[in-house]
Amino acid sequence: QKEVEQNSGPLSVPEGAIASLNCTYSDRGSQSFFWYRQYSGKSPELIMFIYSNGDKEDGRFTAQLNKASQYVSLLIRDSQPSDSATYLCAVTRASYDKVIFGPGTSLSVIP
Amino acid sequence: DVKVTQSSRYLVKRTGEKVFLECVQDMDHENMFWYRQDPGLGLRLIYFSYDVKMKEKGDIPEGYSVSREKKERFSLILESASTNQTSMYLCASSVLGYEQYFGPGTRLTVT
Repeated sequence: QKEVEQNSGPLSVPEGAIASLNCTYSDRGSQSFFWYRQYSGKSPELIMFIYSNGDKEDGRFTAQLNKASQYVSLLIRDSQPSDSATYLCAVTRASYDKVIFGPGTSLSVIP
Repeated sequence: DVKVTQSSRYLVKRTGEKVFLECVQDMDHENMFWYRQDPGLGLRLIYFSYDVKMKEKGDIPEGYSVSREKKERFSLILESASTNQTSMYLCASSVLGYEQYFGPGTRLTVT
């Protein structure tokens, strides 16, 4: 079993719709969870981080964490063509531990 | 803004050469990381360091070594480059337990 799993996609949504990206992780000791966006040919950049169960909202983005189910998701409301990118889920146990990245989900927002 | 720089954007080396990839961050971050990213394989951790002169192996350390003599600089060394080390190499830095900031990447081709 891979440590961090994501649907590889591609996920296609129409402009203005809600895009839902999912991530599951295997290590119950995981404490910190991150979502990165990576445009083609560019480096990953942080979108959201979440440490506690529940929802965290930042503009059009909402991260959701459920530690009991070992599940973290990212919702993108009012999706725009500029949101088309690969989204990487990342998980870590502790400050001195390595960060585990998922394989990424490719999102395409259709105008 | 956090700035992570890498010594080269593109590099072409011959099989058997010793290759140095350098990474510098300007935000006094404790943690630094080296990843390689290949299509279909995602981000894979080669080595990371949580302090000067400290290093930890990641998932794929074989064929690589690292050096961290100063807090701001983390070097990746390919002792004897091989064609299967052709890849995009990404450096990142972070404050302990927090989000990573990535450099622009070095696309290495070994012929």
